[in-house]
Amino acid sequence: DAKTTQPPSMDCAEGRAANLPCNHSTISGNEYVYWYRQIHSQGPQYIIHGLKNNETNEMASLIITEDRKSSTLILPHATLRDTAVYYCIVPKISGTYKYIFGTGTRLKVLA
Amino acid sequence: GAVVSQHPSWVICKSGTSVKIECRSLDFQATTMFWYRQFPKQSLMLMATSNEGSKATYEQGVEKDKFLINHASLTLSTLTVTSAHPEDSSFYICSARRQGDQPQHFGDGTRLSIL
Repeated sequence: DAKTTQPPSMDCAEGRAANLPCNHSTISGNEYVYWYRQIHSQGPQYIIHGLKNNETNEMASLIITEDRKSSTLILPHATLRDTAVYYCIVPKISGTYKYIFGTGTRLKVLA
Repeated sequence: GAVVSQHPSWVICKSGTSVKIECRSLDFQATTMFWYRQFPKQSLMLMATSNEGSKATYEQGVEKDKFLINHASLTLSTLTVTSAHPEDSSFYICSARRQGDQPQHFGDGTRLSIL
C-alpha cells in the first residue's frame, strides 16, 4: 500500500499559488519524498524531491515539516498547463527504491 | 538531462501474438529500470523491477512467464507481453533510475490494445 495520503482533488485559480499537501507519517529517517505529476495519457513527470530541508527548483518548491510527517508542494504561479494528477511518493521499502503510487491529487487550474 | 524513451508509443495487435516494448535511458546509465501498468482512471501499478544483468523481480500477482523482462545493458530494458489477450490491454510505462536516492524518470508510455 502507498505510504502517503493526499486529497483527491483541488482547484486553483490561474496565476495563484497551488499548495498540494501530502501526509507521510510513517516515513523513516533516511527516506526521501518524491513528487511527480501525470498529464493525461503521458508518463509521470518528475518535479522535485527532498529529505529534510526545503527544496526549490525551476518547477516548484517543496516544504517538509520538521518531523518529516508531511510535506507541501508549491507551484508558485499556476498555469492551465499545470492541470494534472500530482503524486507524492515515499519508496515502498527502504533501500529498494520501488515506488507505490497512491491515487494522487487531481489539480485543476481554472482560468 | 534524464530522458527516457519508450517505443512504440501505441500498438494494436491480434490476440495470441507477442508484443515487445523497449525502454531506453538516452542520456544516463540506469542502474535500475521499472515497469508499470495503468488501467483507465486508475493509478500506476508496479509490475517489476529490473537491474542490469540480473533477473527481474516481479510484484505479487504479476506472471513472470507472461511478462518477460530483459535488461541487457545500462540503457535498455525490454518488456515482452507473450501470447497477449484482450485483458492485457493497458498503458505500460517504464522508468529508469541512476543510482542511490536519485529519482526515477519515466517514459511516455505504450498504449497496448489487443483485439
